[in-house]
Amino acid sequence: QVQLQESGPGLVKPSQTLSLTCTVSGGSISSGSYYWSWIRQPAGKGLEWIGRIYPSGSTNYGPSLKSRVTISGDTSKNQFSLELSSVTAADTAVYYCARCLQMPSGTYAFDIWGQGTMVTVSS
Amino acid sequence: QSVLTQSPSVSGAPGQRVTISCTGSSSNIGAGYDVKWYQQLPGTAPKLLIYGNTNRPSGVADRFSGSKSGTSASLAISGLQGEDEADYYCQSYDSGLNAWVFGGGTKLTVL
Repeated sequence: QVQLQESGPGLVKPSQTLSLTCTVSGGSISSGSYYWSWIRQPAGKGLEWIGRIYPSGSTNYGPSLKSRVTISGDTSKNQFSLELSSVTAADTAVYYCARCLQMPSGTYAFDIWGQGTMVTVSS
Repeated sequence: QSVLTQSPSVSGAPGQRVTISCTGSSSNIGAGYDVKWYQQLPGTAPKLLIYGNTNRPSGVADRFSGSKSGTSASLAISGLQGEDEADYYCQSYDSGLNAWVFGGGTKLTVL
C-alpha cells in the first residue's frame, strides 16, 4: 500500500524559503507509471496545484507560483521536495503531496494523497 | 478566482439526489480534457471520486456518478447520506495555462 508523508517546518518567516519533503513508502518515485505533485490549500479555500515532477526528474509548475517554486526528487531516499522562495502570509496553507496515476481511461488523476502539513508564514 | 467555476454550496435531505456543477471554458473542459472529482471530508485530504469524466475508482460507491457536456461537468450523488457531507472539487487540465486546475469547491450539506 503506497503512502505519502509530508514533513518540514510548520512556521516560516516572511521572505524566507519554505521547504517541504514528501516521503513515499510502498512504491518507487522512479517508476514510470506516476507523476508526483504538490498541491496546497489555504484555510477555508480551494485547492491549488503547485507543480509536478516526472520519474525522469523533469518538472512542470503552475503559472501563479512558477517564478518561486522548485520541485526536486531524491530517488535514493524515495522522496520528492518542494521549495517556495520569498514567502509571504499569502503562502500560509496546508500543503499536500500527491501521486498522479495514469488511470485505465488513459487520463491522469491524483489517486493517493499525503495527510497534508500546515505551514504558517509569520514573523 | 478559480479557472473552473463551482457553486459554493448545495444541500439535500437524506435519500435525495443532488448535483454539483463545474463550468470551464474552451481551454480546459471544452477543449476535451477530462474532468476528475474529489471528495474532501472535514480535516482530511481529498479523495478521488471520479476520473475520465464518468469513471469511478475501485471502492467508490455507485451512488456517485459524473457527466460532461460542452464546457461543463457535473457530479451527481444519489441516495444522499450523512457521511456525504463534505467539500467536492472538480479538476481538469488547462491548455492555456499548461497546468492542472481545480474548481473552487462546493460544500455539500446533508439536511
